[in-house]
Amino acid sequence: GAVVSQHPSWVICKSGTSVKIECRSLDFQATTMFWYRQFPKQSLMLMATSNEGSKATYEQGVEKDKFLINHASLTLSTLTVTSAHPEDSSFYICSGGGGYTFGSGTRLTVV
Amino acid sequence: AQSVTQPDIHITVSEGASLELRCNYSYGATPYLFWYVQSPGQGLQLLLKYFSGDTLVQGIKGFEAEFKRSQSSFNLRKPSVHWSDAAEYFCAVGSDLNDYKLSFGAGTTVTVRA
Repeated sequence: GAVVSQHPSWVICKSGTSVKIECRSLDFQATTMFWYRQFPKQSLMLMATSNEGSKATYEQGVEKDKFLINHASLTLSTLTVTSAHPEDSSFYICSGGGGYTFGSGTRLTVV
Repeated sequence: AQSVTQPDIHITVSEGASLELRCNYSYGATPYLFWYVQSPGQGLQLLLKYFSGDTLVQGIKGFEAEFKRSQSSFNLRKPSVHWSDAAEYFCAVGSDLNDYKLSFGAGTTVTVRA
């Protein structure tokens, strides 16, 4: 079945720094991948759609300059949280088109 | 736009008892429906999905769900709960089979007591 690998599983960074999260489709090619954000005890909210070879599509209210998405190949999408602040601390999770499969998520803590 | 409602925030069930989690959706056309399970700090695992055909869907871990168009529901059931079923359960709906974009319900936390 479809497998999505997400890395890192958790990361702690200082305020003002940038953090990159990778999402890979291991056994299928994904022209689109999706990035979700989940606050503690809450549901998943779609942040953006990552499109291979073109610009990402962001949901309303999501700052595209803060959450940079790159989808340079059919198997890799990256989310970079730029100039991170404590309010960006959250659980970020990606999904691939194959089988509605999700990665294992990344716990980001900004201190 | 589609949306999902999970009326129960938290359910406590005894081990060995049956479990039913409710899910209601709002969408004008035929929805694509999913149930996921999430353990603390983990990603989402797909339990089952409904695209078309038989309205009773069998999934992994002994779960099943029934699509009822007249009630706009897709409730998840398990006949006998195990302690390892304690987790967060999310119902989700998609509008386009080739879109892969999902809208999630708020989730239901399941606690299993011995």
